[in-house]
Amino acid sequence: DAKTTQPNSMESNEEEPVHLPCNHSTISGTDYIHWYRQLPSQGPEYVIHGLTSNVNNRMASLAIAEDRKSSTLILHRATLRDAAVYYCILRDRNRDDKIIFGKGTRLHILP
Amino acid sequence: SQTIHQWPATLVQPVGSPLSLECTVEGTSNPNLYWYRQAAGRGLQLLFYSVGIGQISSEVPQNLSASRPQDRQFILSSKKLLLSDSGFYLCAWNLGANEQFFGPGTRLTVL
Repeated sequence: DAKTTQPNSMESNEEEPVHLPCNHSTISGTDYIHWYRQLPSQGPEYVIHGLTSNVNNRMASLAIAEDRKSSTLILHRATLRDAAVYYCILRDRNRDDKIIFGKGTRLHILP
Repeated sequence: SQTIHQWPATLVQPVGSPLSLECTVEGTSNPNLYWYRQAAGRGLQLLFYSVGIGQISSEVPQNLSASRPQDRQFILSSKKLLLSDSGFYLCAWNLGANEQFFGPGTRLTVL
């Protein structure tokens, strides 16, 4: 299975943009890049996913490198409520793959 | 719209007692169903997943078991709880390789 690598933790100031990196050098052509986040004492929630093109939704943006070996989740204006663990996960679009969560990046937001 | 329910929300059980956690999904048919556990301060560990009624795959050896008696019902059980079974148990569902939805979780403390 293709793996992802993320920093253990990051800090950002409130109301500033946050760029969360993810490396996935062994990604295959049929892997979607998914992002989830887990707020304290809650289950994970879906954030965004993409294949090749950059994606935007109400929560975040996903920037995917041209070679697809890395991606960046962008929170345009961080709030204290964005403090969470963010997980970058690869999912093969042709298979009913189970999601295996790595350690993710713990994002701290400074007021 | 789809909804996922888990109960109970919290549970305190003595070592050696049995366990039954229930998860039900509404608003979808033939979902893939998952049980995850998160020990205190640790990552999410996939325990079981099911692609259909009566079909259960176990990810890790343990004293827990899972059953899927109905299409949208997933049950996690144990005959005798261990201290190490304490944790935050999350049920989840998806349809194929799409977004995965998590339930509110059950926080289990084994004393």
